Amino acid sequence: DAKTTQPTSMDCAEGRAANLPCNHSTISGNEYVYWYRQIHSQGPQYIIHGLKNNETNEMASLIITEDRKSSTLILPHATLRDTAVYYCIVSGADNNDYKLSFGAGTTVTVRA
Amino acid sequence: NAGVMQNPRHLVRRRGQEARLRCSPMKGHSHVYWYRQLPEEGLKFMVYLQKENIIDESGMPKERFSAEFPKEGPSILRIQQVVRGDSAAYFCASSSNNYGYTFGSGTRLTVV
Repeated sequence: DAKTTQPTSMDCAEGRAANLPCNHSTISGNEYVYWYRQIHSQGPQYIIHGLKNNETNEMASLIITEDRKSSTLILPHATLRDTAVYYCIVSGADNNDYKLSFGAGTTVTVRA
Repeated sequence: NAGVMQNPRHLVRRRGQEARLRCSPMKGHSHVYWYRQLPEEGLKFMVYLQKENIIDESGMPKERFSAEFPKEGPSILRIQQVVRGDSAAYFCASSSNNYGYTFGSGTRLTVV
């Protein structure tokens, strides 16, 4: 059972920032927020993860609210190759929490 | 520095035949996970293996499915007497700990 809620789909203009929301109101203290994406016909690709602080890497930024009940993945300059299904996943860091629960994700379409 | 290698990429089997799906984890990774993705659905956890050990097979169907990760060689997901409902994409992931997964490109099984 997915512990997250995401919009089904969203469109984004090429070159603009894409902001993908995720609700995880039942997240517990030791659980991380992970983002993966799946480009058509490929395996899921790790994007970023965080616990409570905002995170940034070469692909994206992750903004987590202070109460940790929601987060936003930001793709700063979307390109056509960012068209994919984006999954927000909550998972613990201990050795017993290794199953990733993929929900339906958000289908992001980047348009020229 | 190859990633997770899965083969074959596409596999067609007639009903009643056996399907063998192979996964070579990333170098240095000793944890292997198999996921199944039915058409239009998210990925579902099947099994977690370490070398020569099945750690968690709670997501595996009770019959016809088995998995192994021998001391030498790739991890194998075996499906005996395939049925049409087994048609899906099967993804393998590996990690060096219990988070930070790298997924392969998947094997697309079609049962005719």
